[in-house]
Amino acid sequence: SQQGEEDPQALSIQEGENATMNCSYKTSINNLQWYRQNSGRGLVHLILIRSNEREKHSGRLRVTLDTSKKSSSLLITASRAADTASYFCATGTTDSWGKLQFGAGTQVVVTP
Amino acid sequence: SAVISQKPSRDICQRGTSLTIQCQVDSQVTMMFWYRQQPGQSLTLIATANQGSEATYESGFVIDKFPISRPNLTFSTLTVSNMSPEDSSIYLCSAPELGAYNEQFFGPGTRLTVL
Repeated sequence: SQQGEEDPQALSIQEGENATMNCSYKTSINNLQWYRQNSGRGLVHLILIRSNEREKHSGRLRVTLDTSKKSSSLLITASRAADTASYFCATGTTDSWGKLQFGAGTQVVVTP
Repeated sequence: SAVISQKPSRDICQRGTSLTIQCQVDSQVTMMFWYRQQPGQSLTLIATANQGSEATYESGFVIDKFPISRPNLTFSTLTVSNMSPEDSSIYLCSAPELGAYNEQFFGPGTRLTVL
């Protein structure tokens, strides 16, 4: 079963707009990672946020983590057509030894 | 970051045959994992490939169907045996960098279609 639930399932925006997607999970985690997947290809690692961190930035990406609510969000600012992809969150727990549980994913379409 | 390659990138196979997928990491890693992504779905962990011992399978996956080898710290194979159309998926290998709780990188995936 999936650890995480992501919403929205799909998001359609125009270039220049911001895209926000959310991930909720059920158990205590050690870390949460966000990935991008273009057209059913391999996963590109975006950001890892640890359970003792609240926010991380990488370029146009901003990730927040609220362990009290068991949720995380990924914000893409000033989106581009090249950001069109599926985005997945994945959680790791202390006793999972590196195994990740993935959310259902959010499909983002950015139109020029 | 670790660079992971997979072969083949895609294949079309006949029902009842087997396919072996190779995964190569450009550095030694402690752990390697195999995931399956069915069409339109998210990723599901198949097993942990352990170096020097048998793989550890997740619920719903068995060694007879998905035998795994891990002969050294940079290489692993996954075989999909006695394939049926339901095995049509993308198969991905992954490895965390420098331990279990760091960034985990994925190979480009093997897109398998079973006719």
